[in-house]
Amino acid sequence: QSALTQPASVSGSPGQSITISCTATGSDVHDHNYVSWYQQHPGKAPKLILHGVTNRPSGISNRFSGSKSGNTASLTISGLQAEDEADYYCTSYTSRNTYVFGSGTKVTVL
Amino acid sequence: QVTLRESGPALVKPTQTLTLTCTFSGFSLRTSGMSINWIRQPPGKALEWLARIDWDDDKFYNPSLKPRLTISKDTSKNQVVLTVTTLDPVDTAAYFCARTHHIDGYHFDYWGQGAPVTVSS
Repeated sequence: QSALTQPASVSGSPGQSITISCTATGSDVHDHNYVSWYQQHPGKAPKLILHGVTNRPSGISNRFSGSKSGNTASLTISGLQAEDEADYYCTSYTSRNTYVFGSGTKVTVL
Repeated sequence: QVTLRESGPALVKPTQTLTLTCTFSGFSLRTSGMSINWIRQPPGKALEWLARIDWDDDKFYNPSLKPRLTISKDTSKNQVVLTVTTLDPVDTAAYFCARTHHIDGYHFDYWGQGAPVTVSS
């Protein structure tokens, strides 16, 4: 069974950059080409912010960027803003045609 | 404009069966590559993928919950239904439906607002 591990929390001051990692364990996870990232504010549905590791949907700020190295995908938020304070989840499609979500990261803007 | 909306009971008793409906608009589940997924989130916890149904009626389930889940679709009504049997208080969660269009990739591009479900006697 695959799993995606994220740090429980990351914080930064306005204007700074932060990076959230998403590390895969298990052989089911496609080599991170199918990683996507979601932002979730309290009481709201998740919102897609990155897919295919680095692709931003229309309307998503270019302050959000993605990368991958080995079995770890990363989300970087540049120029941190108060509105970025939220929970962030990575997810990956697996070789068994299922999905696995990361454990989630709470981003705090100091 | 793509929209999805979940509906179902807010309170169910342990051992009962939960039936949730996702009603969508702005696209067709007859379109090649289109899928509807169910995802849940217990209070204060992470998201958990549950099931997916494809345009061609292929179905896929979370292996750890597969015996208890059934997903189906009514394409004429633009609806997808998820049933969860043998409910337990740990099934208390917000249940979301979300779209994937595999022509574009394997990500959830549109979500419903979520349906809160409490399992309690």
